[in-house]
Amino acid sequence: DAGITQSPRHKVTETGTPVTLRCHQTENHRYMYWYRQDPGHGLRLIHYSYGVKDTDKGEVSDGYSVSRSKTEDFLLTLESATSSQTSVYFCATHRDSADTQYFGPGTRLTVL
Amino acid sequence: DAKTTQPPSMDCAEGRAANLPCNHSTISGNEYVYWYRQIHSQGPQYIIHGLKNNETNEMASLIITEDRKSSTLILPHATLRDTAVYYCIVAIYNQGGKLIFGQGTELSVKP
Repeated sequence: DAGITQSPRHKVTETGTPVTLRCHQTENHRYMYWYRQDPGHGLRLIHYSYGVKDTDKGEVSDGYSVSRSKTEDFLLTLESATSSQTSVYFCATHRDSADTQYFGPGTRLTVL
Repeated sequence: DAKTTQPPSMDCAEGRAANLPCNHSTISGNEYVYWYRQIHSQGPQYIIHGLKNNETNEMASLIITEDRKSSTLILPHATLRDTAVYYCIVAIYNQGGKLIFGQGTELSVKP
């Protein structure tokens, strides 16, 4: 599964605090994605990256920022967490534009 | 919004074939049909994809109608471990990242 790890796997935080989630991959895949999954909404794309320092917004990007300083790591930051950002966050990667996506195990974030 | 329509839930007896339908009546000529599944809050797992010909791999078969407006995912001998939510997605192949997940079909395989 493209050697994808996510950290932390679980986090509880308070409203207004900054939070950073990390996605790490070992397959040198070019493309990386952050999704969130909420009951009744399926998976929704937050941000994605098509290379080092190349990122773009997805459908639900408000309140989130991302960074990719090296191929293997894609960071998702909530500058000031809100309760509406309580969700399960999945990272995904794929090798090139013709490849299928591989998903990480997810991070469960609770914002109190 | 998702461009596919799937039944919200289905049951299947263990050992029998599971046939999961998907409607995608607005599919474009350059869009592929992808199937993923998600087992109990794990990350989604790729199953199969196709353009217009039927496809088969070690996990499943994909049957696409001639007009490409619908498709069926077939798990030939369902096991309890196939219990999951199955997502049908249409996407342009060279934009593999642009996946829009709908609600999917919750398949329950029963003994």
